[in-house]
Amino acid sequence: AQTVTQSQPEMSVQEAETVTLSCTYDTSESDYYLFWYKQPPSRQMILVIRQEAYKQQNATENRFSVNFQKAAKSFSLKISDSQLGDAAMYFCAYRRSNRDDKIIFGKGTRLHILP
Amino acid sequence: DGGITQSPKYLFRKEGQNVTLSCEQNLNHDAMYWYRQDPGQGLRLIYYSQIVNDFQKGDIAEGYSVSREKKESFPLTVTSAQKNPTAFYLCASSDRGGANVLTFGAGSRLTVL
Repeated sequence: AQTVTQSQPEMSVQEAETVTLSCTYDTSESDYYLFWYKQPPSRQMILVIRQEAYKQQNATENRFSVNFQKAAKSFSLKISDSQLGDAAMYFCAYRRSNRDDKIIFGKGTRLHILP
Repeated sequence: DGGITQSPKYLFRKEGQNVTLSCEQNLNHDAMYWYRQDPGQGLRLIYYSQIVNDFQKGDIAEGYSVSREKKESFPLTVTSAQKNPTAFYLCASSDRGGANVLTFGAGSRLTVL
């Protein structure tokens, strides 16, 4: 069975600094998708970034980028120039391709931004 | 605007009562999901449905039931068999296929008194 592990329950970063959130996953599949979702204090979940496993290039969305290491089954999220609005729970998620639509989430990392 | 509507936002229940949480989407998505969120536990999948009149159990389906009679609706019933139902419940939907992202509702907070 697929699993997603986020080993950092909480992290803190100074405003304007860079922080990296870790995620590892376990799967026997070769084709899949990985996601980072953000849950701010409002609890409304939103997508941060998506990575296709068949792509070697790491995904980037403005200040958010990933370090995807397929062989190591690692999918970390880097937030550059951290802003107060980045304070949230961040969830890593895994989804198989073209099989069933089951999506598995990690337990989350709570990110604090220090002014 | 398209989106997912969950209701009620807050719900209180006495022990032994069944309650139903509503989830409606107007995004024309085929797949719909229910997740339970507890502190320190992340999002755990309760049930999901890929098509009308079909659904699959997730990792924590015991004590819950669902139906998918219409494409836009996926209600979740928390039965009296659920031993610890107090939690935050999230509904989501997406197009089918791995590349598609989830769109989430605002959530429902259930408290058992």
